[in-house]
Amino acid sequence: KQEVTQIPAALSVPEGENLVLNCSFTDSAIYNLQWFRQDPGKGLTSLLLIQSSQREQTSGRLNASLDKSSGRSTLYIAASQPGDSATYLCAVRSSGNTGKLIFGQGTTLQVKP
Amino acid sequence: KAGVTQTPRYLIKTRGQQVTLSCSPISGHRSVSWYQQTPGQGLQFLFEYFSETQRNKGNFPGRFSGRQFSNSRSEMNVSTLELGDSALYLCASSSGLAGARFTDTQYFGPGTRLTVL
Repeated sequence: KQEVTQIPAALSVPEGENLVLNCSFTDSAIYNLQWFRQDPGKGLTSLLLIQSSQREQTSGRLNASLDKSSGRSTLYIAASQPGDSATYLCAVRSSGNTGKLIFGQGTTLQVKP
Repeated sequence: KAGVTQTPRYLIKTRGQQVTLSCSPISGHRSVSWYQQTPGQGLQFLFEYFSETQRNKGNFPGRFSGRQFSNSRSEMNVSTLELGDSALYLCASSSGLAGARFTDTQYFGPGTRLTVL
């Protein structure tokens, strides 16, 4: 059974700092991994999607990497800003005929001005 | 392109009642999935619909049901509401095209906040 873990559960950093969020999964048989952002009480915003054949994806100040063999992904945020404060969720789509996303519990990030 | 829309945004119901939530996917998307989000369990998969057919179902009781219409809009229904059904219900749409079914990006709506009293 696929399980997704995100550490730490919460993180507080000063503005301008570079930071890394971690995501690990137990079964390396995945189609892809997706990073989302969720603001309080809101839906999920897709940030980056990494296919199983890819090593990383970049969008602006965000860079996500995937090491399928070790079951790990990282989301790197450069030059953090207060507007980056949110909960970040990673989700994997496991191989098999289900199509569902399996989510981690998320990392709540606070960027202090 | 308009994003995924969900109505209503907020609902308050009492135990024993039933509720219907609606989701309109991004134009052209044919796959709609539903998820329940609670503080204790996080995000859990409810079901997925494609071309009016349920393709997959998560581990939820039969009180949770859904359907999809020919225009890809989807509804989910929860009957005999329980206090534990209080949650944010999110729907996600994706193209669902053959060959991309498991590789395309899922886009989420803003959710419906259901409170059961």
